[in-house]
Amino acid sequence: DTAVSQTPKYLVTQMGNDKSIKCEQNLGHDTMYWYKQDSKKFLKIMFSYNNKELIINETVPNRFSPKSPDKAHLNLHINSLELGDSAVYFCASSPSLAGETYNEQFFGPGTRLTVL
Amino acid sequence: AQTVTQSQPEMSVQEAETVTLSCTYDTSESNYYLFWYKQPPSRQMILVIRQEAYKQQNATENRFSVNFQKAAKSFSLKISDSQLGDTAMYFCAFHRGSTLGRLYFGRGTQLTVWP
Repeated sequence: DTAVSQTPKYLVTQMGNDKSIKCEQNLGHDTMYWYKQDSKKFLKIMFSYNNKELIINETVPNRFSPKSPDKAHLNLHINSLELGDSAVYFCASSPSLAGETYNEQFFGPGTRLTVL
Repeated sequence: AQTVTQSQPEMSVQEAETVTLSCTYDTSESNYYLFWYKQPPSRQMILVIRQEAYKQQNATENRFSVNFQKAAKSFSLKISDSQLGDTAMYFCAFHRGSTLGRLYFGRGTQLTVWP
């Protein structure tokens, strides 16, 4: 059983289009994340949601809008795609256990987005 | 802000040999966690090992061990008895001691194990 899943795994699209990437976790976690891995393999946080509430919002263009319909899902919608948006996008989730100062993040398989 | 530095973009090692990957970090936090993640060609991010800053003992997971030098802010990964399946990009990562925190990643070291 897949713990953190993302769809699609590959996405090829034209500049200017709008696209969405979906993420679902079946681990019962209440915190979810989006990370971006650029062409040089650098990974950086974009957003984080806890119990459907946005808690981390890095300096990301407004064209990127995360949406969390429930604790198990965190989708990423991107408007007016640009060449520089080409990257691998990773979803992750973690529990928020009382008394713990760290809870392991589990990563999805990534979505490779290519903007032509 | 936290920064994580991996100064070795690429390394290679022969099968069965030992290799050490370097990582340094900068933080003013007193409570934090450090990690090594492995990313093979499949792209999946796999947690290799984790170290809590408050623990003086270095973490060990089978063939993987770390050398954690808190004062020097150094956190290196040693892979013993390297195997072909260890070929991957290795990322050092930092997490501030907070349940709602983020991971800060270094830029990675591409490790190639050759027969």
